[in-house]
Amino acid sequence: AQSVAQPEDQVNVAEGNPLTVKCTYSVSGNPYLFWYVQYPNRGLQFLLKYITGDNLVKGSYGFEAEFNKSQTSFHLKKPSALVSDSALYFCAVRPLSGGYQKVTFGTGTKLQVIP
Amino acid sequence: EAGVAQSPRYKIIEKRQSVAFWCNPISGHATLYWYQQILGQGPKLLIQFQNNGVVDDSQLPKDRFSAERLKGVDSTLKIQPAKLEDSAVYLCASSHWDRGDTGELFFGEGSRLTVL
Repeated sequence: AQSVAQPEDQVNVAEGNPLTVKCTYSVSGNPYLFWYVQYPNRGLQFLLKYITGDNLVKGSYGFEAEFNKSQTSFHLKKPSALVSDSALYFCAVRPLSGGYQKVTFGTGTKLQVIP
Repeated sequence: EAGVAQSPRYKIIEKRQSVAFWCNPISGHATLYWYQQILGQGPKLLIQFQNNGVVDDSQLPKDRFSAERLKGVDSTLKIQPAKLEDSAVYLCASSHWDRGDTGELFFGEGSRLTVL
């Protein structure tokens, strides 16, 4: 069975500092990997995805994520955090191939950017 | 392009009552999902439709939850009777789904259910 682990319930970072939100996954075969962001009382919004190719993926709002196959990780990063980045972040995985392809989400990491 | 529409946004009911949530996906999206998000947890897939057929309902509590997607467009999720543990946000999402699609999901704003 596929799974996603986000080991940190909350990450605190000072505004202007780099941020990292961690994600590891388990899936049969090669993965599609996604990051979503959720603001209070809102649905999830797509940030970025990894399909194949370059291990560093760039997405919306200056975020990027690095795929590491040997460590089965897909950490979300941003060089300089903004207060407006404070939100709940979810990592998700689905298998690259096969018939039905279920998307599995992690439990989420709350990012708090301190002014 | 209009996003995924859900209603109602908020609903408060007493246990053992029934409730229904409605979702209208993005036009042209063949796949529709209902997720349950309990406070502090990640979204859990309840049911996934491909057009108007069910692809996965393995985590849907079928003794109390039901969902339908008539004509492959709108969908309704019903809970009857509700239990206290059903208090959650019910998220509807849609996506393209074909061989070339990478499957990012587009979510609605969610329907927050409180069961008293």
